Amino acid sequence: QVQLRQSGPGLVKPSQTLSLTCAISGDSVSSNSAAWNWIRQSPSRGLEWLGRTYYRSKWSNDYAVSVKSRITINPDTSKNQFSLQLNSVTPEDTAVYFCARGDQAIDYWGQGTLVTVSS
Amino acid sequence: QSVLTQPPSVSAAPGQKVTISCSGSRSNIGKNYVSWYQQLPGTAPKLLIYDNNKRPSGIPDRFSGSKSGTSATLDITGLQTGDEADYYCGTWESSLSAVIFGGGTNLTVL
Repeated sequence: QVQLRQSGPGLVKPSQTLSLTCAISGDSVSSNSAAWNWIRQSPSRGLEWLGRTYYRSKWSNDYAVSVKSRITINPDTSKNQFSLQLNSVTPEDTAVYFCARGDQAIDYWGQGTLVTVSS
Repeated sequence: QSVLTQPPSVSAAPGQKVTISCSGSRSNIGKNYVSWYQQLPGTAPKLLIYDNNKRPSGIPDRFSGSKSGTSATLDITGLQTGDEADYYCGTWESSLSAVIFGGGTNLTVL
């Protein structure tokens, strides 16, 4: 059974960097058949996919256009986890953030982390 | 404003059937598989349907999906009060190389 466990701060100041980590059990971040995603949800934006990392003979990333200039998703093979960094946050980045596994269909989700951007 | 269009809300009586629609375009639903998710309050979304019409293990056959052209539908039969939730469609947007979701549909079981 795949489990995803998220960690990271729930409060970030404007202009700073939002950082979250997702620890994987029951699968490998280096799997050749999985992709590892970050998705957020807010009342104003609904469910919004942010990006993903995946390994297919080499590591690759896809990012949403809306955050492409500010986002980095990195795998950590030594700890079997992956991370999200979102730079220069504003109050509009306040949302529940989910890590998730899936290519086109997202079949496993983390528990969600409410991140509030406020001074 | 979501790329995939869903009705904001639907309702039906217990035991009845409800259909939730998801409208897209040639570059998303027209080219790629559709998935459906159920989200209960305060929880993460749960995969109900993948590859247009397949159910993950443990999902009852009361839930079924279909796709035609640039639209998809989720049917729920034998409605139960426990089915009250938000439902989202999702697919791949080929023009953006991105996962996209619908705006969600709130189901009320009267």
